[in-house]
Amino acid sequence: RKEVEQDPGPFNVPEGATVAFNCTYSNSASQSFFWYRQDCRKEPKLLMSVYSSGNEDGRFTAQLNRASQYISLLIRDSKLSDSATYLCVVKGVTGGGNKLTFGTGTQLKVEL
Amino acid sequence: EAGVTQFPSHSVIEKGQTVTLRCDPISGHDNLYWYRRVMGKEIKFLLHFVKESKQDESGMPNNRFLAERTGGTYSTLKVQPAELEDSGVYFCASSGRSYDYEQYFGPGTRLTVT
Repeated sequence: RKEVEQDPGPFNVPEGATVAFNCTYSNSASQSFFWYRQDCRKEPKLLMSVYSSGNEDGRFTAQLNRASQYISLLIRDSKLSDSATYLCVVKGVTGGGNKLTFGTGTQLKVEL
Repeated sequence: EAGVTQFPSHSVIEKGQTVTLRCDPISGHDNLYWYRRVMGKEIKFLLHFVKESKQDESGMPNNRFLAERTGGTYSTLKVQPAELEDSGVYFCASSGRSYDYEQYFGPGTRLTVT
């Protein structure tokens, strides 16, 4: 079983739609959680950290459920520029430390 | 402020040859990481330097891979001899002193072994 699992998509949505991505992680001792965004042939960039209380940054809302080991990302009012791969990332999985453990990513395509 | 830089951006080598990848972290960042993404798979951790010391090298696939960070500034990752399965994108990332600091990724080196 992979340490971080995501639906690979692609999710094809019209501009203005709301889209939700989900992710599960296997190690209950994981400490920190993130969503990264990766554009085609580019490096991953931090989109937002994820907290148990839920956090929002403009059109983006992230949620963490530690009991279910489940992370979500909600994008409202999708823009063409949101098209990218969204990576669910966990830190402090095996043996702790700073290393990041990535999911395979969920591809989003926002269309006119 | 300059970001993380990596050289080369692309490298095509034959099986059995040697390749050295370089990473220059953001100035002042003590933590430097190497990650790799092979085709169709997730990005995977290779190793972590704190200054010039290897903090965690649990992700290094085998002894054909050698990473160094002499002087605690830039780092090199050498693959010798390269095998077909080493093809992929090698990312370097750096972060500041604290555990909680964000890791900033470089643009990656795309390695193709033929």
